[in-house]
Amino acid sequence: SAVISQKPSRDICQRGTSLTIQCQVDSQVTMMFWYRQQPGQSLTLIATANQGSEATYESGFVIDKFPISRPNLTFSTLTVSNMSPEDSSIYLCSVDGGTQSYEQYFGPGTRLTVT
Amino acid sequence: KQEVTQIPAALSVPEGENLVLNCSFTDSAIYNLQWFRQDPGKGLTSLLLIQSSQREQTSGRLNASLDKSSGRSTLYIAASQPGDSATYLCAVMSGGFKTIFGAGTRLFVKA
Repeated sequence: SAVISQKPSRDICQRGTSLTIQCQVDSQVTMMFWYRQQPGQSLTLIATANQGSEATYESGFVIDKFPISRPNLTFSTLTVSNMSPEDSSIYLCSVDGGTQSYEQYFGPGTRLTVT
Repeated sequence: KQEVTQIPAALSVPEGENLVLNCSFTDSAIYNLQWFRQDPGKGLTSLLLIQSSQREQTSGRLNASLDKSSGRSTLYIAASQPGDSATYLCAVMSGGFKTIFGAGTRLFVKA
């Protein structure tokens, strides 16, 4: 299994500003994923981040709004840019377990409120 | 495009009851299916992972089955306890290692 930490755990931000969320894993992993969970909703995949390559974004998500970095095999950041109240969500980082099973493990999430 | 549906959306049962949560998916070409638990305001805890070649997995009071051909999975919880109260999410990994989540079943176990 993998142990994942995220910073910050929560934040309240002003409209128009940006927030960078950090995700740290206790072991080297190939694939890291960023998800958004809007209030009362399930999880939606934002992008897949592999080390050494550009992140792959899902439909409806663009790099200018959600730039992602993946500098090494244990760390990634997601930035939420030019925030609006609609960006208020829980943002979760996940990784595959590094085995052939592709079991996913999740961080505790970052609860973002935009006012 | 893979779609995942969970039924029921919410469930309230008395303590000690056995219960079944259902998950269906539209594309049978999957790598695996994973059941998660999410407590309010928290991240996700992995409960069970079923590979596409497997039929079921068990962990303690939990048993998950997979019928890939019909696009269905069930999560069976035996002798439910108040501590089992949470939202249960079904997630399917398909092509491109993308995971699609169902909307979840919110479970409340009454003491």
